[in-house]
Amino acid sequence: KNQVEQSPQSLIILEGKNCTLQCNYTVSPFSNLRWYKQDTGRGPVSLTIMTFSENTKSNGRYTATLDADTKQSSLHITASQLSDSASYICVVSAMQTGANNLFFGTGTRLTVIP
Amino acid sequence: KAGVTQTPRYLIKTRGQQVTLSCSPISGHRSVSWYQQTPGQGLQFLFEYFSETQRNKGNFPGRFSGRQFSNSRSEMNVSTLELGDSALYLCASSLDKYMNTEAFFGQGTRLTVV
Repeated sequence: KNQVEQSPQSLIILEGKNCTLQCNYTVSPFSNLRWYKQDTGRGPVSLTIMTFSENTKSNGRYTATLDADTKQSSLHITASQLSDSASYICVVSAMQTGANNLFFGTGTRLTVIP
Repeated sequence: KAGVTQTPRYLIKTRGQQVTLSCSPISGHRSVSWYQQTPGQGLQFLFEYFSETQRNKGNFPGRFSGRQFSNSRSEMNVSTLELGDSALYLCASSLDKYMNTEAFFGQGTRLTVV
């Protein structure tokens, strides 16, 4: 069964600190993995998208890693800011043509406090 | 380049009514998908369209329907609204038919059923 699991469900950190969010998946055949940031009541915004051959991808203070062998990904946020408070959603795309291709995690709710 | 536009942003309806939500994809994108998001739940797949054809449908009752027009704009309709239909409805557009390239989300329509 194609599934995406994220941990932790929620996280509170102090402004300026770093944090790492986890994503484990069982989606097969794998096409790519995406991280989205979703502010409350808004649509998700793409942070990174990684294919099988990519181990690391950065977008400013956001760095995503992918281990396709263990089917794990992480999103590392450096020097957190108050504006990083949001839900972070891991999405895995399957390489299939006959069914829905995108599988969503339930997200990690990050709160950055001053 | 304009993003994905969803209208209206907010809606309040009473039980038993019906509602139509609209999604205009990024220019050139022919693939549009719809999702329902409720508090504590991940994005639940509703349906997906490509070139006016419904490619896939999620596990939702027949009260949920949609369509796509020749200009790629899409609408979804919910009939006989129930309290449990209160949610953020998101649409996403993508260049490719199978959503394997990056998907861009709209800001969503917040539907409240009273």
